[in-house]
Amino acid sequence: DGGITQSPKYLFRKEGQNVTLSCEQNLNHDAMYWYRQDPGQGLRLIYYSQIVNDFQKGDIAEGYSVSREKKESFPLTVTSAQKNPTAFYLCASGAMNTEAFFGQGTRLTVV
Amino acid sequence: EDQVTQSPEALRLQEGESSSLNCSYTVSGLRGLFWYRQDPGKGPEFLFTLYSAGEEKEKERLKATLTKKESFLHITAPKPEDSATYLCAVQLRGEAAGNKLTFGGGTRVLVKP
Repeated sequence: DGGITQSPKYLFRKEGQNVTLSCEQNLNHDAMYWYRQDPGQGLRLIYYSQIVNDFQKGDIAEGYSVSREKKESFPLTVTSAQKNPTAFYLCASGAMNTEAFFGQGTRLTVV
Repeated sequence: EDQVTQSPEALRLQEGESSSLNCSYTVSGLRGLFWYRQDPGKGPEFLFTLYSAGEEKEKERLKATLTKKESFLHITAPKPEDSATYLCAVQLRGEAAGNKLTFGGGTRVLVKP
């Protein structure tokens, strides 16, 4: 099946811990994105990548880091520097200059 | 500053009661405008792409239109299964803009039987 796979679906983080969210796509898309969604809100861009080994900060990159070592994979690390990490995280991919397709999301909760 | 604003924030409709959602944008150069549907706890599902003023796209009970300043998503004779949050997003022209999408805050639609 072609698509975008995010894992895990639910993630719990203790204060001061780093956690990594996985995003894999088999659509052969060049561009990949990470968005954050808070309850009742739209999507805010954290990081995006248009090509392997290159990525750019979005509007709310502080406290997050990414890597793009393979075309298929774009993991997001939520670091301890992110003071309010509880949110719904969405990964997307797309061909250049076209729409993006989304995964099913990871819900991160700080305990 | 580039901005995307959706209105209303929430909409309650009776089954069969047609209505329209608005997405207004203030951007430096529009490459494309996208509409998505999002169900609770799920990722957004792509609906339409519009590229130029005057363009229209239709899918079942949904029709999207675009002008130079805004887009409308018309829902004709909605059914309860049309209940969802509808998101619009813009993609800008120019290499500096990259390929990223900027989203509005969404409109939550509830259709009651």
